[in-house]
Amino acid sequence: AQKVTQAQTEISVVEKEDVTLDCVYETRDTTYYLFWYKQPPSGELVFLIRRNSFDEQNEISGRYSWNFQKSTSSFNFTITASQVVDSAVYFCALTGSSNTGKLIFGQGTTLQVKP
Amino acid sequence: GAGVSQSPSNKVTEKGKDVELRCDPISGHTALYWYRQSLGQGLEFLIYFQGNSAPDKSGLPSDRFSAERTGGSVSTLTIQRTQQEDSAVYLCASSFTSGQGVGETQYFGPGTRLLVL
Repeated sequence: AQKVTQAQTEISVVEKEDVTLDCVYETRDTTYYLFWYKQPPSGELVFLIRRNSFDEQNEISGRYSWNFQKSTSSFNFTITASQVVDSAVYFCALTGSSNTGKLIFGQGTTLQVKP
Repeated sequence: GAGVSQSPSNKVTEKGKDVELRCDPISGHTALYWYRQSLGQGLEFLIYFQGNSAPDKSGLPSDRFSAERTGGSVSTLTIQRTQQEDSAVYLCASSFTSGQGVGETQYFGPGTRLLVL
C-alpha cells in the first residue's frame, strides 16, 4: 500500500525565516512520482512540483527548493525567506505504477507566516 | 488558457435529496479525476476517467455515488439520497495522459463546497 506522511500539522514562522515542510512516503513501486501542491485560503490546489523516482536531483525555483532522498523516502520542501503570501496548506502527494492515476495525499501542513 | 472549472461553487441541500456536481476539464486533457476533501478524511480519491477506458471507481464510498463523463470531456458526479457525512469540498482535476497514464501532473479546479443539512 502507498502512504504519505506529513508529520507537521501546523507551522508558524515570522516573515523572512526559512521553513522546511517534511514529507515521508511509502511505496513498493519502483516507478513513482511525488508532488507538492499549495492550497491558499481561496481553496484551489495549486501545483508546485513533480518529481519521478529516477531523478534525485534537488530542485530550486526562486525561494522554493525541494530535497528528494530515496534512501530515507523523503521529499522535503523548503521555503527561503518566507513571506506572508506563503501562508497556505501544503500537500505532498504520491502516485505510482500500482495505482495508475490516483494521487495519495498526505494530511497537509498548515503554514502561517506572520509579518 | 482556461483551467479546470467546476459548478456550482457552493451547494446547500437537504438530507435525502440528490445533487449533481459538474466538472469541465482543461481542453485536450484526456484524464479526469474526482477527489473529496473533508475535515476528518483529508483528500480522498473518488473516481478516475482515462479516455474511453472503463473508469476506476475504486474510491467511491458507497453506491449512492456515481459519475459519468460524456464525450470524453465534461463530467458529472451524482450523489443520491445525500447524507450529512457527504458534506465536503468535491475537487475535480484533469491531466494530459499518454501511454500508461502514470504520474502526469493533475491540475485542479476550484471545487464545489457541498453542505448537506
